[in-house]
Amino acid sequence: QQQVKQSPQSLIVQKGGISIINCAYENTAFDYFPWYQQFPGKGPALLIAIRPDVSEKKEGRFTISFNKSAKQFSLHIMDSQPGDSATYFCAARVSNDYKLSFGAGTTVTVRA
Amino acid sequence: DTGVSQNPRHKITKRGQNVTFRCDPISEHNRLYWYRQTLGQGPEFLTYFQNEAQLEKSRLLSDRFSAERPKGSFSTLEIQRTEQGDSAMYLCASSLYGNQPQHFGDGTRLSIL
Repeated sequence: QQQVKQSPQSLIVQKGGISIINCAYENTAFDYFPWYQQFPGKGPALLIAIRPDVSEKKEGRFTISFNKSAKQFSLHIMDSQPGDSATYFCAARVSNDYKLSFGAGTTVTVRA
Repeated sequence: DTGVSQNPRHKITKRGQNVTFRCDPISEHNRLYWYRQTLGQGPEFLTYFQNEAQLEKSRLLSDRFSAERPKGSFSTLEIQRTEQGDSAMYLCASSLYGNQPQHFGDGTRLSIL
């Protein structure tokens, strides 16, 4: 069963808008939450990651918000650009386990 | 380019044939992971190595699948007697240590005729 649930499945945003992708998990042993970006025909590329001891992490236009009590985390893409059009995956990992559990992905389309 | 390299990029084969994929991790990365990704889904873990030792295998890895990492450098994933359901993108990732970020290659897309 999927350990990380991701929504929405797809979204369309205008250039300059904000894209928001949400993920939820059940396993409280997860302690590392990365986001990956994948373009067609390419492998996933690490975008940004967070650990549960912080509630927010920002890198450029990408921000992760983390709510430990709700077991949810989200990715915000600010000032979305056409080049951000891709599929985004959230993932989670237990510290001594190392394998990643991925969400099903969100396809983001940024309209110019 | 010092990223994870996978070959071939695309493999087309008939059902029942054997196929082998190769992964060259980032130099000095001692962890190597294999994942499988089907259309519209996130990658699913198959197996991983610490140096040459295979430390964990997923239930997804049936007896027809075998992976090796001789000498702790490159790895191969072999599928014997391929079935239609094996059609997928096979991704390899590596990390410097277990708790470091995993970096993915561009995958090998397997198509079963």
